[in-house]
Amino acid sequence: QKEVEQDPGPLSVPEGAIVSLNCTYSNSAFQYFMWYRQYSRKGPELLMYTYSSGNKEDGRFTAQVDKSSKYISLFIRDSQPSDSATYLCAMSGGSNYKLTFGKGTLLTVNP
Amino acid sequence: EPEVTQTPSHQVTQMGQEVILRCVPISNHLYFYWYRQILGQKVEFLVSFYNNEISEKSEIFDDQFSVERPDGSNFTLKIRSTKLEDSAMYFCAPRGTPETQYFGPGTRLLVL
Repeated sequence: QKEVEQDPGPLSVPEGAIVSLNCTYSNSAFQYFMWYRQYSRKGPELLMYTYSSGNKEDGRFTAQVDKSSKYISLFIRDSQPSDSATYLCAMSGGSNYKLTFGKGTLLTVNP
Repeated sequence: EPEVTQTPSHQVTQMGQEVILRCVPISNHLYFYWYRQILGQKVEFLVSFYNNEISEKSEIFDDQFSVERPDGSNFTLKIRSTKLEDSAMYFCAPRGTPETQYFGPGTRLLVL
């Protein structure tokens, strides 16, 4: 079983739609959960991070973590064409905080 | 948010050649990570570097790889004898708060 599983998509939605992106994981030691956005051939850009279980909201973005189910989500409200990118989930645990990534979901928001 | 620059942005090299990838932080950081991303694949951890020493390395980071902080500010990743499978994007990432890492723009390495 892979440590972090993420549906690669692609996911195509109309402008204004609510987008739901998800990852599952197997390592119970993970405590920090991040979402990155990556444009083609660019470095990942940190969007949100969450410690342990719970929700976190930042503008149109909401991150949810359910440690009991080993399941994390990112919701994007009122999606815009500029949100079109690959979204990577990443998580870490232990003293080194190295990140373990999902493969990424390619999102296209159509005008 | 920590900022870094990486040089070169692109590098093409012949198999067996040595390459040196550089990472320059805007502000002083003690904790750094290197990751790579093969085209179409996930971002993978290579090595972490804390206070001028390697703190952890992955199984990818074999004897052909090394990291240094040659002048107290730049960080370098050296691949001594490149292989075709080393072709990838390489990212450095300083640690911000303990739970966050901010990625540089990356170096695209192509080994022919």
